[in-house]
Amino acid sequence: EAQVTQNPRYLITVTGKKLTVTCSQNMNHEYMSWYRQDPGLGLRQIYYSMNVEVTDKGDVPEGYKVSRKEKRNFPLILESPSPNQTSLYFCASSSKGTSRLNFGPGTRLTVT
Amino acid sequence: AQSVTQPDIHITVSEGASLELRCNYSYGATPYLFWYVQSPGQGLQLLLKYFSGDTLVQGIKGFEAEFKRSQSSFNLRKPSVHWSDAAEYFCAVVRAANGGGKLIFGQGTELSVKP
Repeated sequence: EAQVTQNPRYLITVTGKKLTVTCSQNMNHEYMSWYRQDPGLGLRQIYYSMNVEVTDKGDVPEGYKVSRKEKRNFPLILESPSPNQTSLYFCASSSKGTSRLNFGPGTRLTVT
Repeated sequence: AQSVTQPDIHITVSEGASLELRCNYSYGATPYLFWYVQSPGQGLQLLLKYFSGDTLVQGIKGFEAEFKRSQSSFNLRKPSVHWSDAAEYFCAVVRAANGGGKLIFGQGTELSVKP
C-alpha cells in the first residue's frame, strides 16, 4: 500500500531533550516536506526537500533540522525542543511536478 | 508574498443543506490551487485541485470548486452536505511553478453538520 508513515505518533518530552521524528514513504517520491499544524494558523511548512541531499527552509524552520540521505526517508530533528514546539506535525511527499501531497498520519508532540 | 485566506474559521450547516467554503489567494502568477480535508484525528486528504483549463473542478465525495481569477477566489461547494462531511477543510496554493512541496495553506475552516 502506497503510504507515508511517521513515528512516533505521539510523543511527550521535556525541554532540551533531543528528539527525532521519522518519516518514510514507499512511493519513490522526489519531494518530501514537514509541516506543523497549530489552531488558527493552519499548516505551516518547516522544511522541504526536492531530492536526496537537497533541502531548503520553509516558513518556520527555526529550532528544526532535517536530512535527506535516502530518497524514502526525511527525518525531522529537534536538537533542543522547547514548549513552543508543542504541535501536530505532518510529513508529506509528492512526485516531481504533480504538487499533490500525500500526508502521513501526523505526530502529536508535547514539550513540557 | 503569496498567501491564502479562509475567512470563516467555523461554519455550521444542517445535513442536506448546501455548503460553500471560501478561499482567497494572493499570488502573482497562475496559481495551482488545492482543497484538502482533515477528518478528526486523521491526516489530510486531497479533495480536488486546479491547475488550468475548466475553472469548475470536480473532486471526490461530491465536492466541487470554482476558480475565479477576477476575485482571486477558489471556493469549495457541495450541493447537499452529509454528516460525514464534518471535518476541517484547508485551501492551499503551490508556490513554485514546478510543483513540489512548497504549498501554502490557509488557516482552515472547521465544518460542523447539524442533524
